[in-house]
Amino acid sequence: NAGVMQNPRHLVRRRGQEARLRCSPMKGHSHVYWYRQLPEEGLKFMVYLQKENIIDESGMPKERFSAEFPKEGPSILRIQQVVRGDSAAYFCASSPKGGNPHSGANVLTFGAGSRLTVL
Amino acid sequence: AQSVTQLGSHVSVSEGALVLLRCNYSSSVPPYLFWYVQYPNQGLQLLLKYTTGATLVKGINGFEAEFKKSETSFHLTKPSAHMSDAAEYFCAVSADSGGYQKVTFGTGTKLQVIP
Repeated sequence: NAGVMQNPRHLVRRRGQEARLRCSPMKGHSHVYWYRQLPEEGLKFMVYLQKENIIDESGMPKERFSAEFPKEGPSILRIQQVVRGDSAAYFCASSPKGGNPHSGANVLTFGAGSRLTVL
Repeated sequence: AQSVTQLGSHVSVSEGALVLLRCNYSSSVPPYLFWYVQYPNQGLQLLLKYTTGATLVKGINGFEAEFKKSETSFHLTKPSAHMSDAAEYFCAVSADSGGYQKVTFGTGTKLQVIP
């Protein structure tokens, strides 16, 4: 039973290029979360998606960043026109459900992360 | 709104000594609390969680944490540190946010174990 799969593990881009990060959730999980980890900082929530729906994107920068989770295939985090400040580790997590308050805590299973370096 | 504060970004202990990593939370509703561990170049692994019931929670690798509502704390402890415990530890809080459980992480504490 494979865990959360992220690729690429390492990505190098020059300023102005596009970065695409992919995340395949655990089998049976239909909820995906993206977090960004900057050096010496914790994980910052970016976006929460269910299949074909963005539920909460309150942590996404307003420009250049977008995310999707199509009916078929992995979730994609897309960063257009990357800048050096985008260099970070991007983690995807999945859960079997969004964690209904009446049915228990939302335990996230994390992928190993995609480390983006912008030159 | 919810938040997590981890006191001490770096903690050093000797092998065999007590490990104590501090976490305080803020939540307007009853929270669920977690500790995750991150080894270099890896994702986060769940150590333990508090949902309801017993306030002393035992996790993997000999770690445990106690939920103290009066102190809004959820400190992580281990009686005797091993070299393999060297990693970064994140406290997290989960609370209802518009119908789903939103998880918020602290900034992390790097644990160094000295031989």
